[in-house]
Amino acid sequence: QSALTQPPSASGSPGQSVTISCTGTSSDVGAYNYVSWYQQHPGKAPKLLIYEVTKRPSGVPDRFSGSKSGNTASLTVSGLQAEDEADYYCSSYAVNDNRFGGGTKLTVL
Amino acid sequence: EVQLVESGGGLVQPGGSLRLSCAASGFTFSTYSMNWVRQAPGKGLEWVSYISGGSSTIYYADSVKGRFRISRDNAKNSLYLQMNGLRAEDTAVYYCARDLYGDYAHEYWGQGTLVTVSS
Repeated sequence: QSALTQPPSASGSPGQSVTISCTGTSSDVGAYNYVSWYQQHPGKAPKLLIYEVTKRPSGVPDRFSGSKSGNTASLTVSGLQAEDEADYYCSSYAVNDNRFGGGTKLTVL
Repeated sequence: EVQLVESGGGLVQPGGSLRLSCAASGFTFSTYSMNWVRQAPGKGLEWVSYISGGSSTIYYADSVKGRFRISRDNAKNSLYLQMNGLRAEDTAVYYCARDLYGDYAHEYWGQGTLVTVSS
């Protein structure tokens, strides 16, 4: 049950776009389209941003988008806003398992 | 409105036991799979356990297998986590999380309950 690999940090200026990667294996990210992304502000519970690689729950701005290629999934935040500064986690289903990435701290410069 | 409210956290000595509860409201509880996810202080999220709507399917992370037991009471709209043999590394905020219907994404989360394992 290995964790997925995310960069520890990412940054961008307001209005810019930033992409966060999430690398797994052929047993998780590469095998299933059950990749999800979560946003967590300090002291708060995580919030679901993306599910099934590309889908957004109701209420999530379309500035947030997801994709996948092989064993790597990505979250792109377009038109960065100050409130996007938070920790972001990817997650993937695997057999008898549901693993998270280590998290990426996004800083809006 | 979907609500998940955890309780039962606290300070416990190494080797001790604790039972967490999660009270659910605002949806048909028995229809949805549920999870426990934890977060150690200053660390990332770690999935702990999964239980299907009818309790027929249960999974555990290797780190808790054999020590923790997940269960649910659909008549009481409640999810539980019985934690035995607690270790210092189990110290974390424990969240209950409801999955999207037919999916493994965690759509709704509670506010979390803090478990501290220390002598």
